[in-house]
Amino acid sequence: AAGVIQSPRHLIKEKRETATLKCYPIPRHDTVYWYQQGPGQDPQFLISFYEKMQSDKGSIPDRFSAQQFSDYHSELNMSSLELGDSALYFCASSFIAGGKSDTQYFGPGTRLTVL
Amino acid sequence: AQKVTQAQTEISVVEKEDVTLDCVYETRDTTYYLFWYKQPPSGELVFLIRRNSFDEQNEISGRYSWNFQKSTSSFNFTITASQVVDSAVYFCALSEFLDAGNMLTFGGGTRLMVKP
Repeated sequence: AAGVIQSPRHLIKEKRETATLKCYPIPRHDTVYWYQQGPGQDPQFLISFYEKMQSDKGSIPDRFSAQQFSDYHSELNMSSLELGDSALYFCASSFIAGGKSDTQYFGPGTRLTVL
Repeated sequence: AQKVTQAQTEISVVEKEDVTLDCVYETRDTTYYLFWYKQPPSGELVFLIRRNSFDEQNEISGRYSWNFQKSTSSFNFTITASQVVDSAVYFCALSEFLDAGNMLTFGGGTRLMVKP
């Protein structure tokens, strides 16, 4: 079965640079979520989109922005990168049936290292 | 506000032992979902199970079983006859039942090490 695709899988950036992470949800899934997982920590919710509209917002820094496109893929844009942004970034997708939230399936993650 | 607590940060067992991972949660919602995810050393997050708050029936899947008790706000996970491949970090998570795009609130995770 098709899974969530994330690219790139690894990314190395310098401080103050920008980064763009991409997420391609499971086919027919209409909702995308972004999470950040620091070393030894649990995943922290950043933001979600349902039918291309922002649905829920968590602890996402103002330096980050995201959107969901007409083909349902999503991009997380990160500017003015800081050392503390080094983490594993997960994208997850789900299919919202009848307006009720459903199981989130996670991609393999993008490991971002900021030097 | 929602909160998930996994009091056991690390558990070490010998292969073939049974092990139970504890999960306690807090929520003001009357309907919600509970989940378990597995994160092996390779790093991906693998979905294991989802449980609706109105369905307290326990579930068994092979060597895995889950015990949901609403009265104690617990959703514990038992692995029977553990294997080395079960070594991973296991996360318990909670989300609201309704509305699209609801976030998952994760517990801190329990690192399970199964030794041969």
